[in-house]
Amino acid sequence: DVKVTQSSRYLVKRTGEKVFLECVQDMDHENMFWYRQDPGLGLRLIYFSYDVKMKEKGDIPEGYSVSREKKERFSLILESASTNQTSMYLCASRRGGSNQPQHFGDGTRLSIL
Amino acid sequence: DAKTTQPPSMDCAEGRAANLPCNHSTISGNEYVYWYRQIHSQGPQYIIHGLKNNETNEMASLIITEDRKSSTLILPHATLRDTAVYYCIAQSNTGNQFYFGTGTSLTVIP
Repeated sequence: DVKVTQSSRYLVKRTGEKVFLECVQDMDHENMFWYRQDPGLGLRLIYFSYDVKMKEKGDIPEGYSVSREKKERFSLILESASTNQTSMYLCASRRGGSNQPQHFGDGTRLSIL
Repeated sequence: DAKTTQPPSMDCAEGRAANLPCNHSTISGNEYVYWYRQIHSQGPQYIIHGLKNNETNEMASLIITEDRKSSTLILPHATLRDTAVYYCIAQSNTGNQFYFGTGTSLTVIP
């Protein structure tokens, strides 16, 4: 079974802090994704990566950056956290090529005070 | 990617089959139908996907109509642990992200 592990289930940070969310997958997947999930808005893609050191912006990249130095690890960075970034953050990975499902971690519920 | 429409909620008796419908009338030829579910406070869990043939795995069956404009996810013997929000997604085989709508909230009743 695919295992996508997010480093924290719950996280509380303060406005202006730099926040790191970590995600690790154990299936040698090429593609990795970061989403945020908010009530009434569904899942929205922040960034994705299709290879080491490669990244692409999703629908809502503002205020975020990402890092992928190793194939199994994809980090989401909130450069200067703000209260409107309070959300559930979900990481996913997928094997490269067509017709492949994404597999999700259990999420990090981040609160910015 | 095609828009999908699902009923907002459904109930099912424990032990009975749960049939969850999805409409995707604008689906194009290269778009697959994926189903996920999300149990409260967890990430979405992949269930099954298909293009035009019916599919079955250990979790569920997927029935896609011949014109591909709708599909049904079948959980053959629903248990209380199947209570979740179920999402139907149509995505092209070259797409990079999944657009999750509001899904169907399935409640399995003892």
